[in-house]
Amino acid sequence: DQQVKQNSPSLSVQEGRISILNCDYTNSMFDYFLWYKKYPAEGPTFLISISSIKDKNEDGRFTVFLNKSAKHLSLHIVPSQPGDSAVYFCAASVQGAQKLVFGQGTRLTINP
Amino acid sequence: DTEVTQTPKHLVMGMTNKKSLKCEQHMGHRAMYWYKQKAKKPPELMFVYSYEKLSINESVPSRFSPECPNSSLLNLHLHALQPEDSALYLCASSRYLAGLGHTGELFFGEGSRLTVL
Repeated sequence: DQQVKQNSPSLSVQEGRISILNCDYTNSMFDYFLWYKKYPAEGPTFLISISSIKDKNEDGRFTVFLNKSAKHLSLHIVPSQPGDSAVYFCAASVQGAQKLVFGQGTRLTINP
Repeated sequence: DTEVTQTPKHLVMGMTNKKSLKCEQHMGHRAMYWYKQKAKKPPELMFVYSYEKLSINESVPSRFSPECPNSSLLNLHLHALQPEDSALYLCASSRYLAGLGHTGELFFGEGSRLTVL
């Protein structure tokens, strides 16, 4: 049972435009969400997080939106840069637990 | 120092071999994790150590044996593995512990790519 789903395995965006990566979850107990970025041959790197008490969190070019009623979150990157090309993982956890549940990942390619 | 260091980066072993993966962090984190990642799949949690004690074992086969000798080190001992155990093994650490809020940000190492022949 995939509790965190990223339905788009890949996404291609023109440099300078907005990249939107989507993530859906099924477990209503999740109350903390994170995005990780992974380059080949490297471990995942934390990007941005959001608590369920918020619906938006912004950090520079990266903004995460949370829609609790739809059990959906999205990561917006604007403007997109070639260095943003990587695999992006959405992850979720429950307060008090030490387990992060990851989505399958979306490979983002930024074209010059 | 915000690094988690894993060794070796690559490991090839036969099904009868005994080997170990090592992980080290010097961020003062008291929670450490082993994740397994197969190709085109998300990382899957294997074990969690909190204050050097095993707190979560996700029903991992006994051919994988974790060890936390001290707060900075985490090992994964491998014995009698199967070819389907070939994967990228990721170590991570975090500041937060269960019951004190969220896991928060996990810091991952680069992983050890294991091939079982």
